Amino acid sequence: NAGVTQTPKFQVLKTGQSMTLQCAQDMNHNSMYWYRQDPGMGLRLIYYSASEGTTDKGEVPNGYNVSRLNKREFSLRLESAAPSQTSVYFCASTRGTTDTQYFGPGTRLTVL
Amino acid sequence: DAKTTQPPSMDCAEGRAANLPCNHSTISGNEYVYWYRQIHSQGPQYIIHGLKNNETNEMASLIITEDRKSSTLILPHATLRDTAVYYCIVIGDFNKFYFGSGTKLNVKP
Repeated sequence: NAGVTQTPKFQVLKTGQSMTLQCAQDMNHNSMYWYRQDPGMGLRLIYYSASEGTTDKGEVPNGYNVSRLNKREFSLRLESAAPSQTSVYFCASTRGTTDTQYFGPGTRLTVL
Repeated sequence: DAKTTQPPSMDCAEGRAANLPCNHSTISGNEYVYWYRQIHSQGPQYIIHGLKNNETNEMASLIITEDRKSSTLILPHATLRDTAVYYCIVIGDFNKFYFGSGTKLNVKP
């Protein structure tokens, strides 16, 4: 039981490049989330998926797209990376709306 | 969801109780209070949560005031490994998770 896994762990991009961050959970959770954390700041919600087949915007969705591929996997795509997207990205999952969130180890992204 | 207010930092002596306060004056009746912590740059770790009653688990105790406008997380015997950023979060709706900046707890020998 690995919990929430994220790939890659580290990534460096040039401005304008695209990439997809992958997240998977093996806890049969219904809901999944993507957050970003800038240095010295708390986490901010980018997108979430309440259940398989649904996605909704969070606090800071601009510049991102998401796909809930199946119940296990929730990916985050940067179509044209910008330096302002340099951050640590965390994926999380929960069984339901007010249940405990379980977080992955994070992806450290640098955009030059 | 209600936003929360926490002190930016606190110190605690090793072996003593750490009491971390949180204000959530706009909390509504169906919203839970959750506490997480983040050690270094790892993913946040769940500690405890509650709705109205005080709660205790193997990690900590959560005291929620009767009017639910504030709460206190208590680590009964803080160790150096408890040095982390502690987040108080009020959760009731999907698209309004506010982690805020949290409280940086420094446990000192």
